[in-house]
Amino acid sequence: KQEVTQIPAALSVPEGENLVLNCSFTDSAIYNLQWFRQDPGKGLTSLLLIQSSQREQTSGRLNASLDKSSGRSTLYIAASQPGDSATYLCAVLSNDYKLSFGAGTTVTVRA
Amino acid sequence: EAGVAQSPRYKIIEKRQSVAFWCNPISGHATLYWYQQILGQGPKLLIQFQNNGVVDDSQLPKDRFSAERLKGVDSTLKIQPAKLEDSAVYLCASSLGDRGREDTEAFFGQGTRLTVV
Repeated sequence: KQEVTQIPAALSVPEGENLVLNCSFTDSAIYNLQWFRQDPGKGLTSLLLIQSSQREQTSGRLNASLDKSSGRSTLYIAASQPGDSATYLCAVLSNDYKLSFGAGTTVTVRA
Repeated sequence: EAGVAQSPRYKIIEKRQSVAFWCNPISGHATLYWYQQILGQGPKLLIQFQNNGVVDDSQLPKDRFSAERLKGVDSTLKIQPAKLEDSAVYLCASSLGDRGREDTEAFFGQGTRLTVV
């Protein structure tokens, strides 16, 4: 059974600082890994998808890396802004086509 | 393209009552997921459909929860009778479900927030 862990559970940084969010998974037999953002009371918004054969993916200030062999992914958010405050979730699509989530990292960016 | 639609957005019921949630996935998406997200936790898979067949319902409390996907499109999730611990956000997601493709992306609806009192 795929287990997904996100560390830290919560993070508070001053505006302008770079954010580093970690995600680890136990089974490397995956199709891809997705990073999502969730605002309070809202659904999940997809930020980035990294395919199993890729090492990283970039979108604007966001960069995500994937090391499948070690079961790790990292989401970097450059020059954080108060609007980046949210919960960030990673989800792994395993080869059995199940989508498993971590518990999320709640980010607060202080103005 | 239209996203995943869910209704209702909010529901408050008393314990032991029944409730139903509806999900309309993105057109053409074969895979449909229902997740339960309790406050402060990550989403937990309840049931996964591939077209109108069940792929995984191992974490669905079958004594009170049921789900169906009619004609491989819309889906409903029902709880009967509800318990206090069922208070959560219920999320529906869909994907193309084209097995073997690494670029298969899951899209989520806004969720239904259920409060059982």
